[in-house]
Amino acid sequence: DVVMTQTPPSLSVAIGQSVSISCKSSQSLVYSDGKTYLHWLLQSSGRSPKRLIYQVSNLDSGVPDRFSGTGSQKDFTLKISRVEAKDLGVYYCAQTTHFPWTFGGGTKLELK
Amino acid sequence: EVQLVESGGGLVKPGASLKLSCVASGFTFSDYWMSWVRQTPGKTMEWIGDIKYDGSYTNYAPSLKNRFTISRDNAKSTLYLQMSNVRSEDTATYYCTLLGAGYWGQGVMVTVSS
Repeated sequence: DVVMTQTPPSLSVAIGQSVSISCKSSQSLVYSDGKTYLHWLLQSSGRSPKRLIYQVSNLDSGVPDRFSGTGSQKDFTLKISRVEAKDLGVYYCAQTTHFPWTFGGGTKLELK
Repeated sequence: EVQLVESGGGLVKPGASLKLSCVASGFTFSDYWMSWVRQTPGKTMEWIGDIKYDGSYTNYAPSLKNRFTISRDNAKSTLYLQMSNVRSEDTATYYCTLLGAGYWGQGVMVTVSS
């Protein structure tokens, strides 16, 4: 299975700050069609996960451009600029390139 | 608006069977692969498996393949997860997902305990 390693496991942030979350995979996530199926999800407290970014850098509808995703092959980053209170929760990376699909362990974003 | 509503969870004894359902609306259910994902009490996410839009093909996480079965009824826009011989480690919140489009249900809790 592809192991997804997220760091850090938790982050304390002040409103208005910028933060980055790293996600590293044990194998390249480039599929045979040339696309990279690495996604980012946010799970706010008590809610189900919500996808924010798909295929590394594409924002889902309604996701503010304060969020951005970068990376390639095995190394990916989620950046949140000007953090707002509604951004707090647990962020997960997920890959759907190789079966079985796998998830990172999560990064909890909290208020400082 | 896409909606995925799971049901069928609860408290079950080890070794028992349980069938979860997920009713979908807001999209053409029969056009999409559907998945089940679970989240343990420790918040670990685990993909269980998925099923092709016409129900003709399924994929499973190898560790769950022998005990879990995914099926669907396109006429009812409903996805199912049949769990058999459940164990304490199956205790989790189970989500029905349209993974490719990024939609998740609200989840249903399953607790396995004697």
